[in-house]
Amino acid sequence: AQSVTQLDSHVSVSEGTPVLLRCNYSSSYSPSLFWYVQHPNKGLQLLLKYTSAATLVKGINGFEAEFKKSETSFHLTKPSAHMSDAAEYFCVVSEGAGTYKYIFGTGTRLKVLA
Amino acid sequence: DTGVSQDPRHKITKRGQNVTFRCDPISEHNRLYWYRQTLGQGPEFLTYFQNEAQLEKSRLLSDRFSAERPKGSFSTLEIQRTEQGDSAMYLCASSSTTYEQYFGPGTRLTVT
Repeated sequence: AQSVTQLDSHVSVSEGTPVLLRCNYSSSYSPSLFWYVQHPNKGLQLLLKYTSAATLVKGINGFEAEFKKSETSFHLTKPSAHMSDAAEYFCVVSEGAGTYKYIFGTGTRLKVLA
Repeated sequence: DTGVSQDPRHKITKRGQNVTFRCDPISEHNRLYWYRQTLGQGPEFLTYFQNEAQLEKSRLLSDRFSAERPKGSFSTLEIQRTEQGDSAMYLCASSSTTYEQYFGPGTRLTVT
């Protein structure tokens, strides 16, 4: 069975400092992994995806994530936080076959301090 | 805008009433998913359609829930005899590949 663990429910950073949101996964298959962002009263927006190509994945708005199979991790990073980054972030694993349904983590709420 | 749309955006209903939600996927997408998100949690998978065929249903989808996707276009999710525990955000997503899904804004259901 597949699962995702987001290690921090809340993260606070100062504007202009680096962001690190941690995610570990468990999968029987070669997984597809994603990060989505959810702003208040907005839909889920795809930040980036890993689908067995390059292990370092670049996404929108300066975010990137590195797939580390040995550590079963897919942490999300950004060099410099912006106030507009404040939102809920979800790490997602998808089955490698069948319905390709998503398994979501419980989310990390990012707060950016001025 | 040609993204996924959902209607209504908000629904308040009394316990025991039936409700129906609609999802219009991105037009060329043949895969459609429903998820449910409760406060403070990540979305949980409910059901999946490929074209008009409903291929998987989660154990979360009790007998009071039914979903359809006639002609492989829009989809409806109906909840009969609503309970307070049904209060949640219901999300629809569509996909044309085996990878990324595109989500609608959701329907927030409040059962009083």
